[in-house]
Amino acid sequence: AQSVTQLDSQVPVFEEAPVELRCNYSSSVSVYLFWYVQYPNQGLQLLLKYLSGSTLVKGINGFEAEFNKSQTSFHLRKPSVHISDTAEYFCAVTPRGSARQLTFGSGTQLTVLP
Amino acid sequence: DSGVTQTPKHLITATGQRVTLRCSPRSGDLSVYWYQQSLDQGLQFLIHYYNGEERAKGNILERFSAQQFPDLHSELNLSSLELGDSALYFCASSVDLLAVPYEQYFGPGTRLTVT
Repeated sequence: AQSVTQLDSQVPVFEEAPVELRCNYSSSVSVYLFWYVQYPNQGLQLLLKYLSGSTLVKGINGFEAEFNKSQTSFHLRKPSVHISDTAEYFCAVTPRGSARQLTFGSGTQLTVLP
Repeated sequence: DSGVTQTPKHLITATGQRVTLRCSPRSGDLSVYWYQQSLDQGLQFLIHYYNGEERAKGNILERFSAQQFPDLHSELNLSSLELGDSALYFCASSVDLLAVPYEQYFGPGTRLTVT
């Protein structure tokens, strides 16, 4: 079984400041890792994913994440946030293999302040 | 717009009732997943169908059932509803070819309120 821990439930940050949203996972098997964003009253949209290869993954809207196998982490970063980045962000994993369902973290509400 | 459609958008019903949520996957996607999002449980996987067959079950109650039809749309049936079933129910679809976990595309969700 897998589990995902998002260490911060709320992250307020000023516009144009950098931000890091933390994600740690636990799994007895190798996993694929994802970050999804949920804007108010909308479904989830994929920001980026790590399948293999380079541990630094770039996604949409200027976000990037770094996979750290030894620390079992997959932190999301953006060097300069905008008001429009205000949303809830979910880290998720799925095991390599036949299973496909996502296990989500509890989410981090990012609020960008003017 | 992800290409995944869910109906209805909102549903208000009473305890003990039965409801059906509908999902149409993106054109060409064979897999449909159902997830429940609630304040106390967060986002939880319920069930996965691939090309009409059930592939995996998560934390789905026995009062809940699902199916995927030949045209690949899926329905989630919730019966004997309880207040605690109030949640946002998401459907997601993916191509889901073997070997690689393709992206799951999420629908806008159905908000169920049980009164």
